[in-house]
Amino acid sequence: NAGVTQTPKFQVLKTGQSMTLQCAQDMNHEYMSWYRQDPGMGLRLIHYSVGAGITDQGEVPNGYNVSRSTTEDFPLRLLSAAPSQTSVYFCASSGFSGGAREQYFGPGTRLTVT
Amino acid sequence: ILNVEQSPQSLHVQEGDSTNFTCSFPSSNFYALHWYRWETAKSPEALFVMTLNGDEKKKGRISATLNTKEGYSYLYIKGSQPEDSATYLCAFPGGNQFYFGTGTSLTVIP
Repeated sequence: NAGVTQTPKFQVLKTGQSMTLQCAQDMNHEYMSWYRQDPGMGLRLIHYSVGAGITDQGEVPNGYNVSRSTTEDFPLRLLSAAPSQTSVYFCASSGFSGGAREQYFGPGTRLTVT
Repeated sequence: ILNVEQSPQSLHVQEGDSTNFTCSFPSSNFYALHWYRWETAKSPEALFVMTLNGDEKKKGRISATLNTKEGYSYLYIKGSQPEDSATYLCAFPGGNQFYFGTGTSLTVIP
């Protein structure tokens, strides 16, 4: 049981390049989310999904796309990278355990846009 | 957007001191309150999920209490150790999202 996995761990992009951050979970959770962590701002929600085929925007969705074709995978696409997207990105999945929803985080992807 | 606030923003304590910090959340439509421990360069790790008013949970030297009527939770660390240095986050699930506080950064000085 690997939990939530993310790839890559580190990435450097040039302004204007596109890329996809991968996220997978093996806990059969319906809910998955993408957050970004910036100094002094805590965790901010980018996009989330409540099941395969269903996604919605979070607090800071601009510049990012997501899709959820399977329960396991929830990739995050940067369409045209900008320096403002330099951040640490965390994927999380959540499911119900003992009557409460518990959330588990992946190890993070550190992205630098130059 | 639900408002989840944590205080203080940062805290420096000496090794061996006990400490506590606060998470405030909306008291209406309460479902659960989550605490996470987040070490630098790692991902947040779940500490507690609290669901009942008056609940108290404990894991080693760390414990948490919950008051859903007034909308706050306290996290206590007894006899702080350098390895307790981390950011402690609370999160309030609302709808399909988790709403996070900005965290309390704890530094334990040896």
